[in-house]
Amino acid sequence: QVQLVESGGGVVQPGRSLRLSCAASGFTFSTYPMHWVRQAPGKGLEWVAVISYDGSNKYYADSVKGRFTISRDNSNNTLYLHLNKLRTEDTAVYYCARASGSVEPYWGQGTLVTVSS
Amino acid sequence: IQLTQSPSSLSASIGDRVTITCRASQGISSYLAWYQQKPGKAPKVLIYAASTLQSGVPSRFSGSGSGTDFTLTISSLQPEDFATYYCHQLYSYPPTFGGGTKVDIK
Repeated sequence: QVQLVESGGGVVQPGRSLRLSCAASGFTFSTYPMHWVRQAPGKGLEWVAVISYDGSNKYYADSVKGRFTISRDNSNNTLYLHLNKLRTEDTAVYYCARASGSVEPYWGQGTLVTVSS
Repeated sequence: IQLTQSPSSLSASIGDRVTITCRASQGISSYLAWYQQKPGKAPKVLIYAASTLQSGVPSRFSGSGSGTDFTLTISSLQPEDFATYYCHQLYSYPPTFGGGTKVDIK
């Protein structure tokens, strides 16, 4: 069955960096675009970034453009999100998701990032 | 593309029929999913491609619509259905979410 498992969250000071990982299994990872979505405490869902199946195209939300970088390793079925210049408003649960057009979507369980001094 | 969900919250009783709507600011064909989220949990996929029920989801959930207007219906509300529901468009980037509808007990 499809599984997405995020890791790498934690407490980090403003201005510092963090790398999130999402290990995928149960499907042909290299054929799907992949997303990161976040949810701040008590708030709704916010899309963060997407990467094409082969990594050649990447799109970002304006709120993270220039600070976050999405990447993938298709040989190891892993999605990444590099978070740089973190701000307190980046505090959220970060989810990876397989979601594309009319294809059945899948989400991971999330990893919490807390940005605090 | 903006997604406007209504209502933002509702109170209902066990056994009630509940309808949540999601309106897109432009046509998105059938590229819409619905999620259920409970506190502290990840979103759970209920419906994708506007009307396809995710495997394992009870048949009391159904989705309809295409273009700009979509509906999620719970035919007979059960205790485990009290949660927040989100719509999500996958027609174009950036993929956007509705603001959510919180369903609680009357």
